[in-house]
Formats: sequence, C-alpha cells, structure tokens
Amino acid sequence: LAKTTQPISMDSYEGQEVNITCSHNNIATNDYITWYQQFPSQGPRFIIQGYKTKVTNEVASLFIPADRKSSTLSLPRVSLSDTAVYYCLVGDIYDYKLSFGAGTTVTVRA
Amino acid sequence: AAGVIQSPRHLIKEKRETATLKCYPIPRHDTVYWYQQGPGQDPQFLISFYEKMQSDKGSIPDRFSAQQFSDYHSELNMSSLELGDSALYFCASSSRFSGTGNYGYTFGSGTRLTVV
Repeated sequence: LAKTTQPISMDSYEGQEVNITCSHNNIATNDYITWYQQFPSQGPRFIIQGYKTKVTNEVASLFIPADRKSSTLSLPRVSLSDTAVYYCLVGDIYDYKLSFGAGTTVTVRA
Repeated sequence: AAGVIQSPRHLIKEKRETATLKCYPIPRHDTVYWYQQGPGQDPQFLISFYEKMQSDKGSIPDRFSAQQFSDYHSELNMSSLELGDSALYFCASSSRFSGTGNYGYTFGSGTRLTVV
C-alpha cells in the first residue's frame, strides 16, 4: 500500500495561495511528515517538516489535523518560480532514507 | 554555503560499459545517500552509507556497487550498463550526529547518465 496519496497535478496563478493535501491514513506514531520540492533536472529540496498541528517557515506552512491522517502544504502567494513537483513523505525521522511516492506537479501561470 | 557536489554532471556511455559517479557531501555530514530518478519517474532510493559503512540498501541492481571513502566522499560504480540505466542519479547528505535525520537532507544537482 502506498504510504501517501497526493493529487497528480494542480494549476494556479501568480499571487494565489496553493494548498496541496496529502493523505497518509496509515501513519505511525513515530512518523513525521516532510515535504520536498523538485525543479526539473535538479535534486529535491527540503521545504518543511512537522509532526502535528501547524508548522510555518519562510517558505510554506504545514497543517496537520489531530488524527494526522492527512496534511496540507500551503504555499502563499505563488510565483512562476514555484512551478515544480512537490513530494509528501511520511516516515520515522530516524529512518535515514526517504521514500518518494508520486508527487504533485504544481504549475503556476502568469 | 557548501553544497553537495556531484561529478560529472553529464555522462554518456555505451551498453555494457562501466560508469563511476562521484559525490562530495557537505562538510561534517556523516551520511551519504544515492537515488536514481528515471525519466518521468520519482526518485528511488539505492543505497546509503553512515560513517563509511553501508547503512541501508534499496532497489540497487547487483551490477551497481558503492562505497564511502575516508574523506566521506562516495562513489557509485555501475557495470554492464543497460539502456534502462539512463537516469538522473542524485546524491544527498545529512548529519545524524546533529539529530536532523531526514530533516537535514541536502541533495546535489545530480549526474545525468545516458546509455546508448
């Protein structure tokens, strides 16, 4: 069974907020939720990580409900340069390897 | 700030040839990971090393081998290359000592291997 499920693609326009929801129904007690961003022909880049409630940094916010069976990455006021594939990963923070599933291709248009 | 350095950036090989990819992790990072990303695919974990010892193994073919050296750089050796080995190969590093685990991953820009 896939550990995470996310939409295949999302379209947006510059200046809008983009919210990507990831389902992880079988998340374990020790699992953390991590999001990565990948531009074409570049290595993935860490965006944000959380365990529960809300986490915010200079790039994005991560909302995690109490049951932790899903999470939502929020990208405020996107620009054309935010066009990328976004991956939601769930795993033990000390698993020391990342298991990428199918990411979400976000396309931002002018 | 120093990043993960991979070389070469591009490599073209013929079938049945061998290839060696190199990775130089961020200074003081103790763990190196290798990932393979085929065209239109998601990154797949191959192998990792912690303090020069293999720590985890993923879907790495037997034709591939890797090691981490005393200066912490790592090399991925690929033999009997097949057309299906054409992919982007990423190296990443992190520091377990700092307790960042998969939070502190930094990926390199990758090596694009084309097998013809």
